[in-house]
Amino acid sequence: QITLTQQAESLWISPGERVSITCRASQSLLYTDGKHYLSWYQQRPGQTTKALIYHASVRTDGVPTRFIGSGSGTEFTLSIEHVQPEDFAIYYCLQTLKSPALTFGSGTKLEIK
Amino acid sequence: QIQLVQSGPELKKPGESLKISCKASGYTFTDYAMQWVKQAPGKGLQYMGWINTQTGKPTYADDFKERFVFSLETSASTAYLQINNLKNEDTATYFCARSQFGVDYFDYWGQGVMVTVSS
Repeated sequence: QITLTQQAESLWISPGERVSITCRASQSLLYTDGKHYLSWYQQRPGQTTKALIYHASVRTDGVPTRFIGSGSGTEFTLSIEHVQPEDFAIYYCLQTLKSPALTFGSGTKLEIK
Repeated sequence: QIQLVQSGPELKKPGESLKISCKASGYTFTDYAMQWVKQAPGKGLQYMGWINTQTGKPTYADDFKERFVFSLETSASTAYLQINNLKNEDTATYFCARSQFGVDYFDYWGQGVMVTVSS
């Protein structure tokens, strides 16, 4: 089973700042098609869970450009530039390389400083 | 618009069974797989498995091979999660989520069903 580690349980930042959330995999998430099977999700109270990024760096439809996914191999980052009030939420990474043994990271909560 | 609407909260006793639903709308139900995810109170997301909406074949993650059953009512564009012989540790919110059959990612999620198991 692939383990995803999100080291930071919480990150405190002020609106307008830039933040990076990391996700480390226990093995490479690169598939033979050249894509990384790593996606990012946002969970806010009272809202449905929202997909932000897939294949490590592709934004889903309608996701603001301030959300940037990057990384390769085993190290991945979700960056949010100029954090907005609505961005304070919990963020999870998910690997979909090894089906059906898909795994989520433990989550990182973005909190207002 | 694409929606996954799940049934309401449940309060059950240990040993009972329950069946929660996930009704899809806004797309062709059988064009996408349906995934299931568990979130215990205050905890992260745990993958449960998925069901092939074209064949009805379920696939369970290791922790969910006993007591958990995925099923479909294709004519109603609805997926179901049944949990048998409920235990206290089944207390959680259960989400359905849509994905391509190649499961790149989960593009739409249901709002979740809060299940409480308590004597």
